[in-house]
Amino acid sequence: GQQVMQIPQYQHVQEGEDFTTYCNSSTTLSNIQWYKQRPGGHPVFLIQLVKSGEVKKQKRLTFQFGEAKKNSSLHITATQTTDVGTYFCAGVTGNQFYFGTGTSLTVIP
Amino acid sequence: DAGVTQSPTHLIKTRGQQVTLRCSPISGHKSVSWYQQVLGQGPQFIFQYYEKEERGRGNFPDRFSARQFPNYSSELNVNALLLGDSALYLCASSPYLTTGFMNTEAFFGQGTRLTVV
Repeated sequence: GQQVMQIPQYQHVQEGEDFTTYCNSSTTLSNIQWYKQRPGGHPVFLIQLVKSGEVKKQKRLTFQFGEAKKNSSLHITATQTTDVGTYFCAGVTGNQFYFGTGTSLTVIP
Repeated sequence: DAGVTQSPTHLIKTRGQQVTLRCSPISGHKSVSWYQQVLGQGPQFIFQYYEKEERGRGNFPDRFSARQFPNYSSELNVNALLLGDSALYLCASSPYLTTGFMNTEAFFGQGTRLTVV
């Protein structure tokens, strides 16, 4: 079954508000990746985190990997309508690669 | 350069039939992975192949099989189709494997939408 959970499942924000999605794994991850999937589209790679406690930034997006390498977060500052989509985390544990359940973001203009 | 290409884009099959899905990775990429994405859920990992060898397998029944060819393209086969196999099947390619499994960015194709009736 699914071992990587994300919360919230859905998030509606006003344009300009911040957004955060959280990813939690039941087991320690070797690394974690984040993907964005637009409606009707395919997942597009955003970033990979490898080190415990790692923080990476991409313009308005901030990614964190937990100290125990079992959780991660994606924070978007001042959302824009172009941020609409479903955000997935994906982690490696052993010889398995698990996508999270995803957080669907809607941005209201 | 062309991205990851998958064929066909849409497919309708009857329960009990067999299906073959095809994937051509980005030129120079040696790793191909397959995923099943049911509507409203995240992709579920099925297989990874690197240099024509299976390097990872998800929790799918033996009805699912795959292979990778010398040109690094790949096929996913599903036998004895069930209604529950209806999903978007995604293929992703990566240039290489580094120090660990799935340790590089994956580039996804547009997917094959399989409907089993």
